[in-house]
Amino acid sequence: GAGVSQTPSNKVTEKGKYVELRCDPISGHTALYWYRQSLGQGPEFLIYFQGTGAADDSGLPNDRFFAVRPEGSVSTLKIQRTERGDSAVYLCASSLGWVGDEQFFGPGTRLTVL
Amino acid sequence: DAKTTQPPSMDCAEGRAANLPCNHSTISGNEYVYWYRQIHSQGPQYIIHGLKNNETNEMASLIITEDRKSSTLILPHATLRDTAVYYCIVKGNAGNMLTFGGGTRLMVKP
Repeated sequence: GAGVSQTPSNKVTEKGKYVELRCDPISGHTALYWYRQSLGQGPEFLIYFQGTGAADDSGLPNDRFFAVRPEGSVSTLKIQRTERGDSAVYLCASSLGWVGDEQFFGPGTRLTVL
Repeated sequence: DAKTTQPPSMDCAEGRAANLPCNHSTISGNEYVYWYRQIHSQGPQYIIHGLKNNETNEMASLIITEDRKSSTLILPHATLRDTAVYYCIVKGNAGNMLTFGGGTRLMVKP
């Protein structure tokens, strides 16, 4: 079946611009996660949704980062006033939503801020 | 969640068993050990997890020491496609996010 998909696969933007990254989770998965991965490092947690609500947003680095999941399926990660330090691969994962379940990751969106 | 320590890199000959160690000496009684791997330019992929008993699935085996302070992921017959970064993660029931460390870069060589 279809896995987690993310669009775009690559995004190049200029410093100060606004970007949106989209995640389509596996159908029926109630939990959705965003992670960020810088070159040579492991993924770093950003935010976790259970259904439509953000259950844990403790990983968002500052208020320029915001994510929504209005209908409990597709999620959008929004970054305002992008900075060069935001350049990274942004990964989305989904799961069935119970503690201890397996997270399925998408291929990621590579964001480059010039 | 408890911190994990893994060697930064390992080599393995194709067809041989790959044994990847992980130390988690501060693990709590209700924390599980998870293993994920990340092949170049892909998202992480779940491999296996366990609490205290050894576990085996179609991908790998997980051996957890009796004191639970360390574990070993075993790929019984490594192939070139197993070349990846392998992450050992300790996670409790309190939160759902995964905390990744640096992982072990496994290179399977012909």
